[in-house]
Amino acid sequence: GQNIDQPTEMTATEGAIVQINCTYQTSGFNGLFWYQQHAGEAPTFLSYNVLDGLEEKGRFSSFLSRSKGYSYLLLKELQMKDSASYLCAVIDSNYQLIWGAGTKLIIKP
Amino acid sequence: DAMVIQNPRYQVTQFGKPVTLSCSQTLNHNVMYWYQQKSSQAPKLLFHYYDKDFNNEADTPDNFQSRRPNTSFCFLDIRSPGLGDAAMYLCATSRSSGVSEQFFGPGTRLTVL
Repeated sequence: GQNIDQPTEMTATEGAIVQINCTYQTSGFNGLFWYQQHAGEAPTFLSYNVLDGLEEKGRFSSFLSRSKGYSYLLLKELQMKDSASYLCAVIDSNYQLIWGAGTKLIIKP
Repeated sequence: DAMVIQNPRYQVTQFGKPVTLSCSQTLNHNVMYWYQQKSSQAPKLLFHYYDKDFNNEADTPDNFQSRRPNTSFCFLDIRSPGLGDAAMYLCATSRSSGVSEQFFGPGTRLTVL
């Protein structure tokens, strides 16, 4: 079966750094997305990785290791508005998007 | 601004009473998707269209149907809503069905009484 694992919930402090991990077992791999979803709202695109390594975009960075089936999302200088769920999603060999259940990130002052 | 629009944002229906959710897009994307998402769960793909080609996910219940009369609009019909169908319904679009970012509408939260 296809599976994406993320921690259910994480807590971090405003101004700090947090790393949200995602591991996947899928039939093939054609890239990995990270989406942000605030409570009661739709997911919004954060990043896409298809090659190994780190992609940096402002305060957010995303890392991929295809050999390990592993990605992380790194959020720096955390702000209260970063409180949201972060969903990892993988495109498999059939170009189907397989979603994780998301990690709820709670930011404390 | 180009966008994905869903109406209504909140829908309340009675158990067994048919309901239709709508989605429109101004992005001119070929692919449209309907997802069901329950609290703290991954979005579950119900249907997707590549242009007018309809693709039904294997485990989508028969109670759910979809229509895409033209490129811009897509509808989700729930024929006889049950309590278990209460969820957020998300419409999304993408340029292609391959490796392509999906753009989501704001969602319709369905309550079944």
